[in-house]
Amino acid sequence: QKEVEQNSGPLSVPEGAIASLNCTYSDRGSQSFFWYRQYSGKSPELIMSIYSNGDKEDGRFTAQLNKASQYVSLLIRDSQPSDSATYLCAVPGLMYSGNTGKLIFGQGTTLQVKP
Amino acid sequence: KAGVTQTPRYLIKTRGQQVTLSCSPISGHRSVSWYQQTPGQGLQFLFEYFSETQRNKGNFPGRFSGRQFSNSRSEMNVSTLELGDSALYLCASSLEAGFMNTEAFFGQGTRLTVV
Repeated sequence: QKEVEQNSGPLSVPEGAIASLNCTYSDRGSQSFFWYRQYSGKSPELIMSIYSNGDKEDGRFTAQLNKASQYVSLLIRDSQPSDSATYLCAVPGLMYSGNTGKLIFGQGTTLQVKP
Repeated sequence: KAGVTQTPRYLIKTRGQQVTLSCSPISGHRSVSWYQQTPGQGLQFLFEYFSETQRNKGNFPGRFSGRQFSNSRSEMNVSTLELGDSALYLCASSLEAGFMNTEAFFGQGTRLTVV
Protein backbone atom coordinates (compact mmCIF):
# COMPACT_ATOMS: atom_id res chain seq x y z
CA GLN A 1 0.00 0.00 0.00
CA LYS A 2 1.34 3.39 -0.97
CA GLU A 3 1.76 5.87 1.86
CA VAL A 4 -0.26 8.57 0.10
CA GLU A 5 -2.70 7.68 -2.63
CA GLN A 6 -4.58 9.79 -5.10
CA ASN A 7 -6.60 9.01 -8.19
CA SER A 8 -4.44 10.18 -11.08
CA GLY A 9 -7.45 11.22 -13.13
CA PRO A 10 -7.89 13.16 -15.25
CA LEU A 11 -10.89 14.55 -13.43
CA SER A 12 -12.92 16.60 -15.85
CA VAL A 13 -15.55 19.09 -14.65
CA PRO A 14 -17.44 21.85 -16.42
CA GLU A 15 -16.74 25.46 -15.58
CA GLY A 16 -18.67 26.57 -12.52
CA ALA A 17 -18.99 23.07 -11.06
CA ILE A 18 -17.51 21.73 -7.83
CA ALA A 19 -14.34 19.67 -8.25
CA SER A 20 -13.70 17.07 -5.56
CA LEU A 21 -10.19 15.69 -5.14
CA ASN A 22 -9.45 12.87 -2.72
CA CYS A 23 -6.40 11.56 -0.95
CA THR A 24 -5.88 8.65 1.43
CA TYR A 25 -2.88 8.06 3.65
CA SER A 26 -1.57 5.06 5.49
CA ASP A 27 0.05 6.41 8.67
CA ARG A 28 -2.53 6.90 11.44
CA GLY A 29 -0.12 9.14 13.30
CA SER A 30 -0.12 11.82 10.61
CA GLN A 31 -1.07 15.22 11.95
CA SER A 32 -0.48 17.62 9.06
CA PHE A 33 -1.86 17.55 5.56
CA PHE A 34 -1.10 19.76 2.61
CA TRP A 35 -2.53 20.38 -0.83
CA TYR A 36 -0.34 21.73 -3.60
CA ARG A 37 -1.31 22.86 -7.07
CA GLN A 38 1.13 22.33 -9.91
CA TYR A 39 0.67 23.78 -13.35
CA SER A 40 2.38 22.02 -16.21
CA GLY A 41 6.06 22.89 -16.28
CA LYS A 42 5.89 24.79 -13.00
CA SER A 43 6.74 24.01 -9.39
CA PRO A 44 4.17 23.01 -6.74
CA GLU A 45 2.34 25.85 -5.03
CA LEU A 46 0.90 25.39 -1.54
CA ILE A 47 -2.81 26.13 -1.56
CA MET A 48 -4.12 24.56 1.65
CA SER A 49 -2.88 23.10 4.89
CA ILE A 50 -5.09 21.36 7.43
CA TYR A 51 -4.26 19.93 10.83
CA SER A 52 -7.60 19.23 12.54
CA ASN A 53 -10.56 17.06 11.68
CA GLY A 54 -13.29 18.86 9.84
CA ASP A 55 -13.38 21.50 7.16
CA LYS A 56 -11.13 24.42 6.45
CA GLU A 57 -12.23 27.01 3.92
CA ASP A 58 -10.12 29.51 2.00
CA GLY A 59 -11.92 31.33 -0.78
CA ARG A 60 -13.16 28.80 -3.31
CA PHE A 61 -11.12 26.03 -1.70
CA THR A 62 -12.24 23.76 1.13
CA ALA A 63 -10.04 21.09 2.65
CA GLN A 64 -11.75 18.29 4.54
CA LEU A 65 -9.93 16.00 6.94
CA ASN A 66 -11.17 12.75 8.46
CA LYS A 67 -8.40 11.16 10.51
CA ALA A 68 -10.51 8.17 11.53
CA SER A 69 -10.98 7.21 7.90
CA GLN A 70 -7.52 8.46 6.93
CA TYR A 71 -8.57 10.63 4.09
CA VAL A 72 -8.26 14.25 3.18
CA SER A 73 -10.09 15.94 0.34
CA LEU A 74 -10.02 19.22 -1.50
CA LEU A 75 -13.14 20.83 -2.89
CA ILE A 76 -12.91 23.59 -5.47
CA ARG A 77 -16.14 25.54 -5.84
CA ASP A 78 -17.07 27.47 -8.98
CA SER A 79 -14.24 25.78 -10.89
CA GLN A 80 -12.51 27.90 -13.49
CA PRO A 81 -10.40 26.87 -16.49
CA SER A 82 -7.46 28.45 -14.66
CA ASP A 83 -7.87 25.75 -11.99
CA SER A 84 -6.79 23.14 -14.55
CA ALA A 85 -3.64 21.69 -13.02
CA THR A 86 -2.32 18.71 -11.09
CA TYR A 87 -3.23 18.70 -7.42
CA LEU A 88 -0.79 17.01 -5.05
CA CYS A 89 -1.60 15.75 -1.59
CA ALA A 90 1.33 15.69 0.86
CA VAL A 91 1.73 14.19 4.32
CA PRO A 92 4.80 14.29 6.61
CA GLY A 93 6.72 11.06 6.83
CA LEU A 94 6.73 9.58 10.32
CA MET A 95 8.90 7.20 12.24
CA TYR A 96 8.55 5.90 15.78
CA SER A 97 10.87 8.71 16.85
CA GLY A 98 8.68 11.37 15.33
CA ASN A 99 8.55 13.42 12.19
CA THR A 100 11.16 12.44 9.64
CA GLY A 101 11.40 15.87 8.13
CA LYS A 102 10.15 14.89 4.72
CA LEU A 103 6.90 15.27 2.87
CA ILE A 104 5.46 12.25 1.14
CA PHE A 105 3.51 13.15 -1.95
CA GLY A 106 0.77 11.35 -3.76
CA GLN A 107 1.07 10.96 -7.50
CA GLY A 108 -1.33 13.85 -8.02
CA THR A 109 -4.74 14.22 -9.62
CA THR A 110 -4.98 16.06 -12.91
CA LEU A 111 -7.98 18.37 -13.01
CA GLN A 112 -9.41 19.64 -16.27
CA VAL A 113 -12.01 22.38 -16.12
CA LYS A 114 -13.83 22.71 -19.43
CA PRO A 115 -15.29 26.10 -20.43
CA LYS B 1 9.05 39.11 0.89
CA ALA B 2 11.16 37.15 -1.56
CA GLY B 3 10.28 33.54 -2.18
CA VAL B 4 12.52 30.53 -2.58
CA THR B 5 15.18 31.08 -5.20
CA GLN B 6 16.77 28.25 -7.10
CA THR B 7 19.63 28.60 -9.53
CA PRO B 8 20.19 27.81 -12.26
CA ARG B 9 16.74 27.31 -13.77
CA TYR B 10 17.95 25.05 -16.57
CA LEU B 11 21.02 22.87 -17.00
CA ILE B 12 22.21 20.52 -19.69
CA LYS B 13 25.03 18.20 -18.70
CA THR B 14 26.79 15.22 -20.19
CA ARG B 15 26.83 11.77 -18.63
CA GLY B 16 29.65 11.42 -16.16
CA GLN B 17 29.81 15.10 -15.29
CA GLN B 18 28.85 16.56 -11.96
CA VAL B 19 26.44 19.37 -11.16
CA THR B 20 25.74 21.71 -8.26
CA LEU B 21 22.34 23.27 -7.68
CA SER B 22 21.67 26.14 -5.34
CA CYS B 23 18.69 27.10 -3.18
CA SER B 24 18.12 30.25 -1.15
CA PRO B 25 15.19 29.81 1.24
CA ILE B 26 12.66 32.39 2.30
CA SER B 27 14.21 34.87 4.71
CA GLY B 28 13.95 33.51 8.24
CA HIS B 29 13.35 29.94 7.15
CA ARG B 30 15.90 27.52 8.53
CA SER B 31 14.87 24.25 6.91
CA VAL B 32 15.58 23.33 3.33
CA SER B 33 14.44 20.11 1.67
CA TRP B 34 15.26 18.82 -1.77
CA TYR B 35 13.03 16.75 -4.04
CA GLN B 36 13.39 15.14 -7.42
CA GLN B 37 10.39 15.10 -9.71
CA THR B 38 10.11 12.84 -12.73
CA PRO B 39 7.01 11.88 -14.75
CA GLY B 40 7.31 8.25 -13.74
CA GLN B 41 8.19 8.55 -10.05
CA GLY B 42 6.52 11.79 -9.06
CA LEU B 43 8.02 13.82 -6.22
CA GLN B 44 10.73 11.94 -4.37
CA PHE B 45 12.44 13.20 -1.22
CA LEU B 46 16.21 13.62 -1.43
CA PHE B 47 17.23 15.19 1.89
CA GLU B 48 16.40 17.80 4.49
CA TYR B 49 18.76 20.25 6.11
CA PHE B 50 18.20 22.24 9.25
CA SER B 51 20.78 24.41 10.99
CA GLU B 52 23.50 23.12 8.67
CA THR B 53 22.77 19.50 9.58
CA GLN B 54 21.26 16.83 7.41
CA ARG B 55 18.26 15.51 9.33
CA ASN B 56 17.02 12.91 6.93
CA LYS B 57 17.96 11.40 3.60
CA GLY B 58 15.83 9.71 1.00
CA ASN B 59 16.53 6.53 -0.88
CA PHE B 60 19.00 7.88 -3.41
CA PRO B 61 22.55 6.74 -4.18
CA GLY B 62 25.56 8.40 -2.61
CA ARG B 63 26.13 10.36 -5.81
CA PHE B 64 23.52 12.74 -4.47
CA SER B 65 24.77 14.94 -1.69
CA GLY B 66 23.99 18.28 -0.19
CA ARG B 67 24.92 20.83 2.38
CA GLN B 68 23.56 23.88 4.11
CA PHE B 69 25.40 27.03 5.00
CA SER B 70 25.09 29.22 8.07
CA ASN B 71 22.78 31.62 6.20
CA SER B 72 20.45 28.65 5.48
CA ARG B 73 21.27 28.59 1.78
CA SER B 74 21.66 25.07 0.52
CA GLU B 75 23.37 23.32 -2.33
CA MET B 76 22.94 19.86 -3.72
CA ASN B 77 25.49 18.05 -5.80
CA VAL B 78 25.12 15.15 -8.15
CA SER B 79 28.29 13.45 -9.27
CA THR B 80 28.84 11.06 -12.17
CA LEU B 81 25.60 12.03 -13.83
CA GLU B 82 23.45 9.36 -15.44
CA LEU B 83 20.71 9.76 -18.02
CA GLY B 84 18.17 8.81 -15.36
CA ASP B 85 19.11 11.85 -13.31
CA SER B 86 17.27 14.06 -15.79
CA ALA B 87 14.51 15.59 -13.73
CA LEU B 88 13.11 18.70 -12.13
CA TYR B 89 14.93 19.32 -8.86
CA LEU B 90 12.90 21.23 -6.34
CA CYS B 91 13.90 22.94 -3.16
CA ALA B 92 11.38 23.55 -0.39
CA SER B 93 11.80 26.07 2.39
CA SER B 94 10.11 25.94 5.77
CA LEU B 95 10.36 27.84 8.99
CA GLU B 96 11.26 24.90 11.18
CA ALA B 97 12.32 21.31 10.73
CA GLY B 98 9.67 18.72 10.11
CA PHE B 99 6.16 19.49 8.95
CA MET B 100 3.97 18.95 11.98
CA ASN B 101 2.75 22.54 11.91
CA THR B 102 5.10 24.01 9.37
CA GLU B 103 4.31 24.68 5.77
CA ALA B 104 6.80 24.15 2.96
CA PHE B 105 7.15 26.48 -0.01
CA PHE B 106 8.83 25.44 -3.21
CA GLY B 107 11.21 27.28 -5.46
CA GLN B 108 10.76 27.31 -9.22
CA GLY B 109 13.05 24.34 -9.61
CA THR B 110 16.07 23.48 -11.69
CA ARG B 111 15.41 21.47 -14.83
CA LEU B 112 18.38 19.17 -15.33
CA THR B 113 18.84 17.35 -18.61
CA VAL B 114 21.58 14.76 -18.89
CA VAL B 115 22.63 13.86 -22.44
